[in-house]
Amino acid sequence: AQSVTQPDIHITVSEGASLELRCNYSYGATPYLFWYVQSPGQGLQLLLKYFSGDTLVQGIKGFEAEFKRSQSSFNLRKPSVHWSDAAEYFCAVAASGGSYIPTFGRGTSLIVHP
Amino acid sequence: NAGVTQTPKFRILKIGQSMTLQCTQDMNHNYMYWYRQDPGMGLKLIYYSVGAGITDKGEVPNGYNVSRSTTEDFPLRLELAAPSQTSVYFCASSSFPGREPQHFGDGTRLSIL
Repeated sequence: AQSVTQPDIHITVSEGASLELRCNYSYGATPYLFWYVQSPGQGLQLLLKYFSGDTLVQGIKGFEAEFKRSQSSFNLRKPSVHWSDAAEYFCAVAASGGSYIPTFGRGTSLIVHP
Repeated sequence: NAGVTQTPKFRILKIGQSMTLQCTQDMNHNYMYWYRQDPGMGLKLIYYSVGAGITDKGEVPNGYNVSRSTTEDFPLRLELAAPSQTSVYFCASSSFPGREPQHFGDGTRLSIL
């Protein structure tokens, strides 16, 4: 069965600091990979996605993610965090073994200190 | 530019009552999904549909029912509400599973007392 692990429940950073949110998955083949952001009281919004090709993908709001096949990881990064980035972040994976229905990690809550 | 619309936004039910959570999308997407979100647990798939007239169970279907009579609408039915169904429910749609991202509604916050 497909699974997605986000090992950090909470991450606290200072405004202006860099950020990395971790995501690991377990599949046999390269899946489709997504990062979503959820602001309080809102639905999920797509930040970026990876299907194939260049392993470093750019998204909205200055975010990027790098796919590392050898580590089964798809970590999200941002060089300088803004207070408005405080939100819940979800990694999602879709693969043939799950009929391409996305499976979500449990989420990482980002707290930004001024 | 509505996207995915969920109603109601909030609801309080008594144990044993029933209700229907509504979800409609205007993007002509074939795939629609219902998730529940509990604190620290991420999103769990309840049911999904690959097109009008076709539905299938997800990871946590017990206590819920769905129907898909049109491409636009995908209601979720709770027949006998239980406290364990207190959660935030999200509906999503996509044009194609996997390759295309999902579009989410703003959620329905449901409390069972």
